[in-house]
Amino acid sequence: DQQVKQNSPSLSVQEGRISILNCDYTNSMFDYFLWYKKYPAEGPTFLISISSIKDKNEDGRFTVFLNKSAKHLSLHIVPSQPGDSAVYFCAVLSQGGSEKLVFGKGTKLTVNP
Amino acid sequence: GAGVSQTPSNKVTEKGKYVELRCDPISGHTALYWYRQSLGQGPEFLIYFQGTGAADDSGLPNDRFFAVRPEGSVSTLKIQRTERGDSAVYLCASSSPPVSTQYFGPGTRLTVL
Repeated sequence: DQQVKQNSPSLSVQEGRISILNCDYTNSMFDYFLWYKKYPAEGPTFLISISSIKDKNEDGRFTVFLNKSAKHLSLHIVPSQPGDSAVYFCAVLSQGGSEKLVFGKGTKLTVNP
Repeated sequence: GAGVSQTPSNKVTEKGKYVELRCDPISGHTALYWYRQSLGQGPEFLIYFQGTGAADDSGLPNDRFFAVRPEGSVSTLKIQRTERGDSAVYLCASSSPPVSTQYFGPGTRLTVL
């Protein structure tokens, strides 16, 4: 039973356009959300995070939006660049003493020149 | 500064053998995590250390898996009697609570023949 769902396995966009990656979660008690980017043969690299007390966090070309009522978050990349091509993982922090991350299955983003 | 390092980067072993995977966290990070990533999946939590003690080992799949962190820094994940289903990329991450962001190493790709 997946607690974190990324329903789009892949996404292809043109360089310069916006990329929107989506993530849904099931547990309304989750209160910290992260996006990681992963290149082949490398470990996941932290990209951006958001706490449940906010609905938006921006860092340069990357913005994460959180809709708590819908249990949905999204990552916007604008403008998209070919170097952004990677697998993007949504993760939530499962608290209650553990601090473990629960990941979605990832979305492979391809940015075409 | 140096990131999380993991050795070896690749490990090929035969079914039934014993393997050890090493993780060297970011200096000063008190929390250390092990995850396992199978093909087409997101990383899945195995175990979490706070200092020297395992604060949460609920993700270890069975008693063939064991991890230690004797001095609160380097950690070793040990797998006994390896099975083909253990083949995956084993990822290590560290963090410095109360900051929740986890930083990942490049992973060890384990192949059990």
